[in-house]
Amino acid sequence: DGGITQSPKYLFRKEGQNVTLSCEQNLNHDAMYWYRQDPGQGLRLIYYSQIVNDFQKGDIAEGYSVSREKKESFPLTVTSAQKNPTAFYLCASSTPGQGTEQYFGPGTRLTVT
Amino acid sequence: AQTVTQSQPEMSVQEAETVTLSCTYDTSESDYYLFWYKQPPSRQMILVIRQEAYKQQNATENRFSVNFQKAAKSFSLKISDSQLGDAAMYFCAYRSLSGNTPLVFGKGTRLSVIA
Repeated sequence: DGGITQSPKYLFRKEGQNVTLSCEQNLNHDAMYWYRQDPGQGLRLIYYSQIVNDFQKGDIAEGYSVSREKKESFPLTVTSAQKNPTAFYLCASSTPGQGTEQYFGPGTRLTVT
Repeated sequence: AQTVTQSQPEMSVQEAETVTLSCTYDTSESDYYLFWYKQPPSRQMILVIRQEAYKQQNATENRFSVNFQKAAKSFSLKISDSQLGDAAMYFCAYRSLSGNTPLVFGKGTRLSVIA
């Protein structure tokens, strides 16, 4: 089955630690995206990548970093510089071309205490 | 930059009734795509319906239809014969026509369905 996987579903970390969220897709999509979801805030774009070895900052990139070394993978690192890291994180991908929707993974709930 | 506004944080509907969720957007582009996504309690994002701005005909998917008013920059979602499984967060989203650009989301409307 083609799709997007995010692991783990729940992640707990102590404050001051970096943590990496996994996102893998087998849809052969060129573009991948990371969104953060907080109550009442909708989905806010953190980073996106339209092609391997290239990525762009979104609206709330501070305190986050990404890499895109393979087409299938787009891991997100939440660094200790991110002031409020506790949130639900969604990864998405889309096909090349125009107008197609984004396909979403099941998300990772990160809790930092 | 484009923005999407959903003015109804919460809505409720009786089972089997019809409900309309509102969405307005702001853009200077003439061609674009609009989407409604559903996020049930599982938090998996599910595409409900898509509208191409260059098409005048409103999109329909079974019990879901949109009222797309391009001049007013309005894109409402109508759910007919509401079912308990329709209870979810609904997000309106905008996408530019050019390239693999990210979606711009509204803040969402939480829909409750009353049995």
